This record gives sequence, structure tokens and C-alpha cells, in this order.
Amino acid sequence: DAKTTQPTSMDCAEGRAANLPCNHSTISGNEYVYWYRQIHSQGPQYIIHGLKNNETNEMASLIITEDRKSSTLILPHATLRDTAVYYCIAGNFNKFYFGSGTKLNVKP
Amino acid sequence: GAVVSQHPSWVICKSGTSVKIECRSLDFQATTMFWYRQFPKQSLMLMATSNEGSKATYEQGVEKDKFLINHASLTLSTLTVTSAHPEDSSFYICSMVGTGNEKLFFGSGTQLSVL
Repeated sequence: DAKTTQPTSMDCAEGRAANLPCNHSTISGNEYVYWYRQIHSQGPQYIIHGLKNNETNEMASLIITEDRKSSTLILPHATLRDTAVYYCIAGNFNKFYFGSGTKLNVKP
Repeated sequence: GAVVSQHPSWVICKSGTSVKIECRSLDFQATTMFWYRQFPKQSLMLMATSNEGSKATYEQGVEKDKFLINHASLTLSTLTVTSAHPEDSSFYICSMVGTGNEKLFFGSGTQLSVL
């Protein structure tokens, strides 16, 4: 699995868009970019994933750069319940390693 | 979405005893399963990977004789912490992926406290 680099923490105002960056410069051609989040003492929750194209679902949007070396997770209208640790993972199902993640603090 | 059931949610045991944690996929067949553990304020650390019908592959530094993983069927995997000690106290999480499914689904985790 490719190593990922994320900021340790970020703040976001409630109702505003949260943009969480991730670097995965060593990603290989068959590795996807996944985003999960974890709220304290719970199992990680799937958010979104993609290979090359940008993706959008009911939770978030995923923007992947053309060279695939970085990506951004966008929560369009952050709420207090979106406060969590967000993990970016570059990999496939031979192995699935978590990096250190970004603690997103959504503030009123 | 797919559901992964993990239990118990928490367990307290005495040092030297063994603890079994179960992980079941409720609505899909899981060909690959992963077990993680997580210490407070840290990320998830992959312990082992298992495929149905074969022995688990353990990550470096994880004792296979201490953490016994059994991928008994396409819907069930168990992790047994043998002769548990206080340093084994941690949050253990299972995850599963099914054939043709690009997503990894996680259980809700088990908090193990060894006294």
C-alpha cells in the first residue's frame, strides 16, 4: 500500500465546506483512494473511494488530481456530527493500512 | 450497505485468561478479512489478513501464537487473544471485503481490558 500523508487536525465552521487534503505520491496504478472516518470508540465508517475520476455520493465528494498523487475529500456542508478522525487510504484488498488521519473539528 | 457484526462490544478479563472475539458478515460473503487493533489516540494497526480456508498472514511484530485467527467460513472470523496480559488491553476491530466488492466494511469494535 502507498503511504499517505494528512494534516494532523483541521477546524471547520458548521455549515461550511470541509476540504480535507491527502498526499499519496507513491500510489500505484491498481490502488484506489479510500476515505473512512472514525468517531470515538467506533469502527471506521466508509465515506467514498475512487480510482482516477472524481466521485460524489450522498456524504461527500472526492477530487483526485490527474497524476493521482493527491486527493481532497469535500464535505459540502459540515455539521457538528461530522467531527471525527478522517483517514485517507491508498490501497487495494491485499492489504489495507491506515495512516495517522486528520482530526476534523466542526465548530458552531 | 453491508453489515458486519462484531461482539462482544467490550470485555474485561483477568490476566492469563483467553478471550474470543467474533466477527460476522450478515448480508454478504467475505472472502478476505482483516483484524486491527487500536490504542488510545492512535490509528488502526493491521494485525493480520485472512482468506477463507487458509491460514492468516500476520504483520511483522504480531505474535501468531498469541493472537489466533480463524476464518471459519465466508461469514465468520474469530480472533482469540490467548493468555491475555494488561498490555493486550486495546480496541480490536475486524473488517471484511466480499468478492467483487470494492469496499471494506468494519465491525463496531471490541474494547478489551485485561486486569
